[in-house]
Formats: sequence, C-alpha cells, structure tokens
Amino acid sequence: SQQGEEDPQALSIQEGENATMNCSYKTSINNLQWYRQNSGRGLVHLILIRSNEREKHSGRLRVTLDTSKKSSSLLITASRAADTASYFCATDHMDSNYQLIWGAGTKLIIKP
Amino acid sequence: NAGVTQTPKFRVLKTGQSMTLLCAQDMNHEYMYWYRQDPGMGLRLIHYSVGEGTTAKGEVPDGYNVSRLKKQNFLLGLESAAPSQTSVYFCASSPWGTESQPQHFGDGTRLSIL
Repeated sequence: SQQGEEDPQALSIQEGENATMNCSYKTSINNLQWYRQNSGRGLVHLILIRSNEREKHSGRLRVTLDTSKKSSSLLITASRAADTASYFCATDHMDSNYQLIWGAGTKLIIKP
Repeated sequence: NAGVTQTPKFRVLKTGQSMTLLCAQDMNHEYMYWYRQDPGMGLRLIHYSVGEGTTAKGEVPDGYNVSRLKKQNFLLGLESAAPSQTSVYFCASSPWGTESQPQHFGDGTRLSIL
C-alpha cells in the first residue's frame, strides 16, 4: 500500500519557471524525504524534513510540511533542463526507523 | 567511493530460470533493501536486512529470497523466474538511526523474463 501520493503525476514547464509538486500521506510520520530519479538511474536523496519542521531549504529546493493536513510540497525555483526527472516522496512509520513507503512520483519535464 | 553497486545492469531470462542479483555497498551501512520499480508505481519493498546475517520480508516477497552473509553485500535470488517478475530492481542502503535515514541507491538491474 502506498503511503505517499504525489500530485501531479506529470508536469511540463518552461525553463526558468518554478515547479511545485505535492505529496500527501496517511499516517503519522517521523520524517518525510524527497528523492530525484533521472531516466535510467537510481534515486538520489534531495532533502529530509522532520515532523517538527515546517519548511526546509537546499539550494533551489524548498520543502514544506503540514502535518495537520498530512501533506508536503517540493518547490524547485528557476528550473533548468537538468531538473528534468521524476521526483518521489517517501515517508516512514512512527514505529519503524528504517522502512520507507514511496509514492508513485511526479514526472517533471523542463522545456528549453 | 563507489556507494552502492549492482550487478548485472541488464539481464534477460527465460521462464523457470534462476539467477542472483548482487548488491554491494562501501559505506558501512547497517540497513540494506531490495525494491522493484514498475511503470507508474512507486518503489515496492521486496526484502530488507537490518544487519549482517538478518533478513526480513517486505511488501512483495513472494518468489524471491535474499541473503546477507557479509555486511557490505545483499543478494537477491529468483529461484524460478516468472514473467510477472519483469521489472527494474534497485538495491539501497542506509545507516542506522533513531528514525529513518536517507537511502543510497544503486543504478538498478533491468530484468526481463520471457
């Protein structure tokens, strides 16, 4: 069963625009993580936000977490062609310190 | 520093054949995982290991077996391959923590079962 569900499933924007992806989950969490997957490659960890944090930044990435709504968003500012990839959110269980549950991902295409 | 290495990268099998997928990590991570990724779906956990000599079932373990004889290696076996096991398989590892830690992934093994 999927814990995280990303929205939208696919997103196509012009280079330079901002891209926003959302993730919803169902149960209480310790933290939520975002990953990127380039075509034909493995997933790469982008950012981890803990349940007591509301916002976190890393370079052009901004992640927010609303535990009352059980949702998170990933904002990529000033998008570049190299940002073309699939983005996944993953959540853990309150009673597990190692397992993650994954959403189906958002496929982001940046048009030059 | 290679991180997580998976071999082979591609493989085609006939139904009923067996094979072993190899995963090696050089980060001294406690936890290791095997996932499968199918089109339009997120990663699904097959088996995982919380330490050398221990393994446990994940969400979709049927038809697979695993072993972790050494801390750095995690093997995934298919005893009798079926077309439904056609997928991309990812190995990942993570360090111990009081809560879940970032996972490090290999580049996957693309497996086709004819």
